[in-house]
Amino acid sequence: EDQVTQSPEALRLQEGESSSLNCSYTVSGLRGLFWYRQDPGKGPEFLFTLYSAGEEKEKERLKATLTKKESFLHITAPKPEDSATYLCAVDSGGSNYKLTFGKGTLLTVNP
Amino acid sequence: ETGVTQTPRHLVMGMTNKKSLKCEQHLGHNAMYWYKQSAKKPLELMFVYNFKEQTENNSVPSRFSPECPNSSHLFLHLHTLQPEDSALYLCASSQGQTAFFGSGTQLSVL
Repeated sequence: EDQVTQSPEALRLQEGESSSLNCSYTVSGLRGLFWYRQDPGKGPEFLFTLYSAGEEKEKERLKATLTKKESFLHITAPKPEDSATYLCAVDSGGSNYKLTFGKGTLLTVNP
Repeated sequence: ETGVTQTPRHLVMGMTNKKSLKCEQHLGHNAMYWYKQSAKKPLELMFVYNFKEQTENNSVPSRFSPECPNSSHLFLHLHTLQPEDSALYLCASSQGQTAFFGSGTQLSVL
């Protein structure tokens, strides 16, 4: 059974204080790893897809990296508007595109 | 405005009521999904439709009944729900792997 574990559950940063969020996964065959951002009262917003170990993707202050066992979401010099819950999910293949999600990391960036 | 629209945004219902959630996608995707998001739990996949055909039912109780009349519309019919069914119900669509979500319906069952 596919499993996704995110850590920490919650992270509080000062504005400008860089850090990383972790997503560890166990799947039979990774077909893609996804990062989403979710604001309160809204649905998840797609950020990145990573497909193979060593791959990196960037968007503004966010950079996602992937190894064979985990992914990191690095946040450089965060701003208060980066505050949100960040979700990690994996697609392990099969006939449908089914995502298995972690519980998420609640990020709070204080001004 | 997102490409996936859900109505209503909030719903309060009694255990004997019947209600329906609606989802419409404007992205031209061929797959649509229902997910359930409860507090302190990961998103749980409920149903998958590809080209209007149900291709996945993740052991969901029969009090939840999905309907997909075409590739752009998806409904979730609710009847005799339990208080533990209170959650955020999210609709998503995809053309391939990447799913795009609506804002969800926050459901409270009294």
